[in-house]
Amino acid sequence: GIQVEQSPPDLILQEGANSTLRCNFSDSVNNLQWFHQNPWGQLINLFYIPSGTKQNGRLSATTVATERYSLLYISSSQTTDSGVYFCAVDWVLNSGYALNFGKGTSLLVTP
Amino acid sequence: EAQVTQNPRYLITVTGKKLTVTCSQNMNHEYMSWYRQDPGLGLRQIYYSMNVEVTDKGDVPEGYKVSRKEKRNFPLILESPSPNQTSLYFCASSLYPNEKLFFGSGTQLSVL
Repeated sequence: GIQVEQSPPDLILQEGANSTLRCNFSDSVNNLQWFHQNPWGQLINLFYIPSGTKQNGRLSATTVATERYSLLYISSSQTTDSGVYFCAVDWVLNSGYALNFGKGTSLLVTP
Repeated sequence: EAQVTQNPRYLITVTGKKLTVTCSQNMNHEYMSWYRQDPGLGLRQIYYSMNVEVTDKGDVPEGYKVSRKEKRNFPLILESPSPNQTSLYFCASSLYPNEKLFFGSGTQLSVL
């Protein structure tokens, strides 16, 4: 199946700092999604971004499908940004559809 | 409120005792799926359903069953749970397979 690699695996930031998370994937995909898993375990969909750039408040994402990567930007980080960030890419199976997740980037934002 | 609802939130059981984790969505989504999350292994797909009465295996289907008799419900069944099925389980849905995916709150299962 398609391989999804995220970097860095761990990241510690001081509140107010900016960061960039990267997601590389090994084959062509139809779309890519970014999720945030908060410390309570909930998975929240941040972006559905097969290509191009989207922004949502302090977060933005860019996917360059032709080069097989996506970036998630967090600006002016806050402690509530802590958690694990996952990217997931989809690929079509013979009879259906699958979503493959990367191993995630664990982010800790300190006061 | 549009949501994916899983129950129970926490479950402790013993080896071999059949259990069902329920999943329901109120968004009229066609596509539903189950994932398990384990430390170091990330999220892995167990089963998915493209539509009512259409289900298929994901990456780790062994030991699990699902059914999709109605569009809104997609229960996960463990006929004979074993300790290696101790995990955090998530149900998810999207309008169509290639659309934005929404997750339930998760079910933490411990099999003793």
